[in-house]
Amino acid sequence: AQKVTQAQTEISVVEKEDVTLDCVYETRDTTYYLFWYKQPPSGELVFLIRRNSFDEQNEISGRYSWNFQKSTSSFNFTITASQVVDSAVYFCALSRGGTGGFKTIFGAGTRLFVKA
Amino acid sequence: DTEVTQTPKHLVMGMTNKKSLKCEQHMGHRAMYWYKQKAKKPPELMFVYSYEKLSINESVPSRFSPECPNSSLLNLHLHALQPEDSALYLCASSQTLDRGVGYTFGSGTRLTVV
Repeated sequence: AQKVTQAQTEISVVEKEDVTLDCVYETRDTTYYLFWYKQPPSGELVFLIRRNSFDEQNEISGRYSWNFQKSTSSFNFTITASQVVDSAVYFCALSRGGTGGFKTIFGAGTRLFVKA
Repeated sequence: DTEVTQTPKHLVMGMTNKKSLKCEQHMGHRAMYWYKQKAKKPPELMFVYSYEKLSINESVPSRFSPECPNSSLLNLHLHALQPEDSALYLCASSQTLDRGVGYTFGSGTRLTVV
């Protein structure tokens, strides 16, 4: 089965705290892609990062960093020194093949509240 | 131009009405998508278009009818909807229909069926 699990429904932190959002996935494909998207209250989903299954290098972009570990099927997302503007729902997603083409399936999302 | 524009932003319609949602992008993307998102749930794929041809229909009821008149435009025609169809409808596009590409999403149309 192809599945993305985000076990944390909601997380609340105080500004400047570090926070890690967990993502665990299941897939039988040997080639697959993982994504993180941010959905602020305005509604649009914003693409943050893509990682393919052959590239386990961790990535850092400003205050954001991602840790991909195939051994544990995890693709976790850390925000360092969180800010109020980071408050949003964050979705982890998996892109997989299927009839008619490729589909992106989303985890249930983690709602992050950052308090001033 | 790096965005997907959806209109209208909000729509209230009766169960006997016919309305359309519109999605436009001018990034030269050749794959376009409709997603439905209920409150506090992840987006669920409805339709995928690739090079203006319907590629995936996720068993969506016929009261939802997609249309892709050209490479920049994607419509979703609505007819005889039910209150449970109330949701945020998101349009997205990507360069191609390739599992490795990230999507650009619009800000959605918030639909209420009364």
